[in-house]
Amino acid sequence: QSVLTQSPSASGTPGQRVTISCSGSSSNIGRESVSWYHQLPGTAPKLLIYSNNQRPSGVPDRFSGSKSGTSASLAISGLQSEDESDYYCAAWDGSLNVVVFGGGTKLTVL
Amino acid sequence: EVQLVESGGDLVQPGGSLRLSCAASGFTFTNYWMDWVRQAPGKGLEWVANINKDGNKKKYVDAVKGRFTISRDNAKTSLYLQMNDLRVDDTAVYYCARDLLGPSCHWGQGILVTVSS
Repeated sequence: QSVLTQSPSASGTPGQRVTISCSGSSSNIGRESVSWYHQLPGTAPKLLIYSNNQRPSGVPDRFSGSKSGTSASLAISGLQSEDESDYYCAAWDGSLNVVVFGGGTKLTVL
Repeated sequence: EVQLVESGGDLVQPGGSLRLSCAASGFTFTNYWMDWVRQAPGKGLEWVANINKDGNKKKYVDAVKGRFTISRDNAKTSLYLQMNDLRVDDTAVYYCARDLLGPSCHWGQGILVTVSS
């Protein structure tokens, strides 16, 4: 059982906007920044968002992150077939003194 | 080009030991904290350990405390994970990562560790 909670699956059609949520607590998301990663099968994860809403260079602005209280969200607009992937949130947990990950959300583009 | 290349993965019996290495290149190694993250087959990501730039501060997930040791050799720009008393549930792909939660995050390609009799 992951410390951060994500829905196991999400789906959308091309062009649509989808949101993936990540729920935590006051010891992690509530006081620390959230990062988001995506992972294609058989490959290493890649950073999508850091510091709640910042995109590294090279990440399209179709991807955006937000945080409110103890929850965070990743939004993908203008959904494309290549966005079909697993998405993970992560944050430092100040009580456990570890990095905690969400269980991952598998995004399907219909 | 930033590169992180893991090596040392193998099939090992329960109770055995392995040492993973992560060779870093293309960036100033001493500028970054480094992490190990693992992923069991068909499962999600699990953080394992991290180490500060100087190598004198280390943190571990409870599941590996007392069995795994993270270390680094800044002269060789390499990160290590010594894994002792391996268990079946340590079976996973192990990734090394730079600046895991930050803007310069970069992951290695991963290395498979299989613990089985």
